[in-house]
Amino acid sequence: GENVEQHPSTLSVQEGDSAVIKCTYSDSASNYFPWYKQELGKRPQLIIDIRSNVGEKKDQRIAVTLNKTAKHFSLHITETQPEDSAVYFCAARPPPGYSTLTFGKGTMLLVSP
Amino acid sequence: SQTIHQWPATLVQPVGSPLSLECTVEGTSNPNLYWYRQAAGRGLQLLFYSVGIGQISSEVPQNLSASRPQDRQFILSSKKLLLSDSGFYLCAWRRTGGGLNEQYFGPGTRLTVT
Repeated sequence: GENVEQHPSTLSVQEGDSAVIKCTYSDSASNYFPWYKQELGKRPQLIIDIRSNVGEKKDQRIAVTLNKTAKHFSLHITETQPEDSAVYFCAARPPPGYSTLTFGKGTMLLVSP
Repeated sequence: SQTIHQWPATLVQPVGSPLSLECTVEGTSNPNLYWYRQAAGRGLQLLFYSVGIGQISSEVPQNLSASRPQDRQFILSSKKLLLSDSGFYLCAWRRTGGGLNEQYFGPGTRLTVT
């Protein structure tokens, strides 16, 4: 089955800096890669996703890049703000026929003012 | 638009007591439904998923069970709770159909077993 590794487990940055979280996956057939943000005590919220036919996707201050050859994808947050502080989870899903996401273990991002 | 509900929001139960958590989805038909558990400060553990009424797949052996009595209703149960069952229980749904891959989580139930 699919295996997703996520690094780092904790990331501390100063407000205004950029933050990068990286994930690797094992199943080369995986074709969907979402990222979730979970604030303390709340549900994970889908913030951005990318499909395997795209190398990069941006949405305002966040972007995701995908390298299918190396089987890794990354979340980039620019101009970080204190409200970006949360746990971020990456995930991967193999093609249709599989129903489940495999999640990484999460990265706690702390943005200091 | 689609909405997912979970109840109760919080629950405190003694060891050995039964459990029933409910999840319902509005605004869609034949969704894939999922139960996850998140221990304090930990990741997301998939417990069960369902692709249709009466169809349940279990991801990990445990003293929990799941049922899907109606298309948009997913229930998580236990006959006797253990201390280790404490955690944040999240239901999630995904629309079926080509190219629609997004998965959305419900608000969760925080369970404390004492």
